[in-house]
Amino acid sequence: AQRVTQPEKLLSVFKGAPVELKCNYSYSGSPELFWYVQYSRQRLQLLLRHISRESIKGFTADLNKGETSFHLKKPFAQEEDSAMYYCALSGEGGGNKLTFGTGTQLKVEL
Amino acid sequence: DTAVSQTPKYLVTQMGNDKSIKCEQNLGHDTMYWYKQDSKKFLKIMFSYNNKELIINETVPNRFSPKSPDKAHLNLHINSLELGDSAVYFCASTLYGTGELFFGEGSRLTVL
Repeated sequence: AQRVTQPEKLLSVFKGAPVELKCNYSYSGSPELFWYVQYSRQRLQLLLRHISRESIKGFTADLNKGETSFHLKKPFAQEEDSAMYYCALSGEGGGNKLTFGTGTQLKVEL
Repeated sequence: DTAVSQTPKYLVTQMGNDKSIKCEQNLGHDTMYWYKQDSKKFLKIMFSYNNKELIINETVPNRFSPKSPDKAHLNLHINSLELGDSAVYFCASTLYGTGELFFGEGSRLTVL
């Protein structure tokens, strides 16, 4: 079975402060990890995926297989980063089944 | 221009009723999903169809029956609605194996 854990329901930071949204996963095979974001009144959308190793909107995430983690980081939080963030894992079902974590609400305060 | 569209956006109904939610995508994807988001914002996969064939069927009560008439459509029919069915139901689509899901806006179902 595949499982994704996001320990923080809510993370509140000040504008300009560093952000780290934690994600741990459980999967016996070789996983593919993603971060999805849902801004207020918008659809859930892909933010980034570990295989592309790119930075999107200043966010990065590194897959750490030893710690089974895929934490999302940004050095300086912006007000527009306030949103719900979901970590997701694709593993079983030939890469078709995407399992989401419980989500972390990020609130960036001025 | 909407990529993944769901109807209705809001649905309020009584316990015991039967209701349907429809989903359509114009992205040319071959795989579609239904996810349920509960009051705590937890997203749980329910079903997935690839080229009109059911490929994922999670532990969902028999009262929920998906139907995919073609690759671009995936509908969800719910019989004998219960209070616990109240949630936001999200449709999503993708090209099989890519992992990038495109979501609809969600359909908020309230069972009274």
